[in-house]
Amino acid sequence: DTEVTQTPKHLVMGMTNKKSLKCEQHMGHRAMYWYKQKAKKPPELMFVYSYEKLSINESVPSRFSPECPNSSLLNLHLHALQPEDSALYLCASSLRGNTEAFFGQGTRLTVV
Amino acid sequence: DQQVKQNSPSLSVQEGRISILNCDYTNSMFDYFLWYKKYPAEGPTFLISISSIKDKNEDGRFTVFLNKSAKHLSLHIVPSQPGDSAVYFCAASPPGANNLFFGTGTRLTVIP
Repeated sequence: DTEVTQTPKHLVMGMTNKKSLKCEQHMGHRAMYWYKQKAKKPPELMFVYSYEKLSINESVPSRFSPECPNSSLLNLHLHALQPEDSALYLCASSLRGNTEAFFGQGTRLTVV
Repeated sequence: DQQVKQNSPSLSVQEGRISILNCDYTNSMFDYFLWYKKYPAEGPTFLISISSIKDKNEDGRFTVFLNKSAKHLSLHIVPSQPGDSAVYFCAASPPGANNLFFGTGTRLTVIP
């Protein structure tokens, strides 16, 4: 199993809503990531979890709240988002640092 | 500050010919480099990687070359196939780090 599974694939939410993005991998990877990608731009790192502990937060606004319940799961809780937060949100995992990261299909988020 | 750059936003190549995608980086601490392929509305798919201790890595039709003194890497695809048409991102990682710095991408079109 070399998959990173993200749900949902598409999400439309209002600016007052609370929603969560989910990511799952069963490759035994101990590093998991959230990236954000806007159209025609490269993926930008948001958060890194290493061994279920938050190791990198790239100055992401607090309306984005990551959670790593166990080594296979990664969530991104969303609250009070802005329309400019609309983007493709990508989850990835890797065995450790300096190894290839495997990406999920992404969640296409639209904030209205 | 874009530490990884792909200066060609697009490239068109005839089927069967060689595709050469280029990437430059500014951070001399990067020691691990990767190429990803991305279709619209999907997550990036890992293609090939190279460690800074090597100058070439080959996997089937894909070869990555690294020139550390020039801080430059390239991806060669030969022979190019129409199914290779996608956006290609190069990425780099510092030693032992869990984050990837992505280039801006090059859209490759292989013409049948």
